[in-house]
Amino acid sequence: QSVLTQPPSASGTPGQRVTISCSGSSSNIGSNTVNWYQQLPGTAPKLLIYSNNQRPSGVPDRFSGSKSGTSASLAISGLQSEDEADYYCAAWDDSLNGRNYVFGTGTKVTVL
Amino acid sequence: EVQLVQSGAEVKKPGESLKISCKGSGYSFTSYWIGWVRQMPGKGLEWMGIIYPGDSDTRYSPSFQGQVTISADKSISTAYLQWSSLKASDTAMYYCARRIGGAPSLAWFDPWGQGTLVTVSS
Repeated sequence: QSVLTQPPSASGTPGQRVTISCSGSSSNIGSNTVNWYQQLPGTAPKLLIYSNNQRPSGVPDRFSGSKSGTSASLAISGLQSEDEADYYCAAWDDSLNGRNYVFGTGTKVTVL
Repeated sequence: EVQLVQSGAEVKKPGESLKISCKGSGYSFTSYWIGWVRQMPGKGLEWMGIIYPGDSDTRYSPSFQGQVTISADKSISTAYLQWSSLKASDTAMYYCARRIGGAPSLAWFDPWGQGTLVTVSS
């Protein structure tokens, strides 16, 4: 079961700004960096943001990430139709069970 | 180009065994951890475990410990995920991905394989 909580859905019209939240705890987001993955329909996940706010080469600058305390967020500014996808936050979690990688519950972004 | 290419879709019966593969290319396969992720139909991503092909050091998520076996053959740059006795609840898409980025707690996964769909049905 996911230990990072995201809203199930978000939507916006083309050009709008959409923000997705990701809530965790001191054992994951509070002490480790956050990564974001984009999963377009019918495809494998793709790295979108790493180390809280870094974009890999090729990711448009309309995608941005931030982290504060035990929460993180992904912002999509200038929403485009091709941004319609599922988005997952993720972080390493250090607990009594050792170090495990945990994903958020996922957010489906719809472009209206 | 760094690539992970997974084996094709599988249809199996409950109780059967299965081994799926993930072949890396375009980088030093023995120098990066490879992780496995499950995605059940219509559901989110679940981390299963990770292996370091250089010495086969393997870690499992508590949710998958004892349910699957992760292995690697560095001579052919391939990681594996296997089941000894499949259940209908193992029906899912399985992805492999390379772990990169500094310290373990700061790392991320990139790239990802294209996925292997496993269907278990009587």
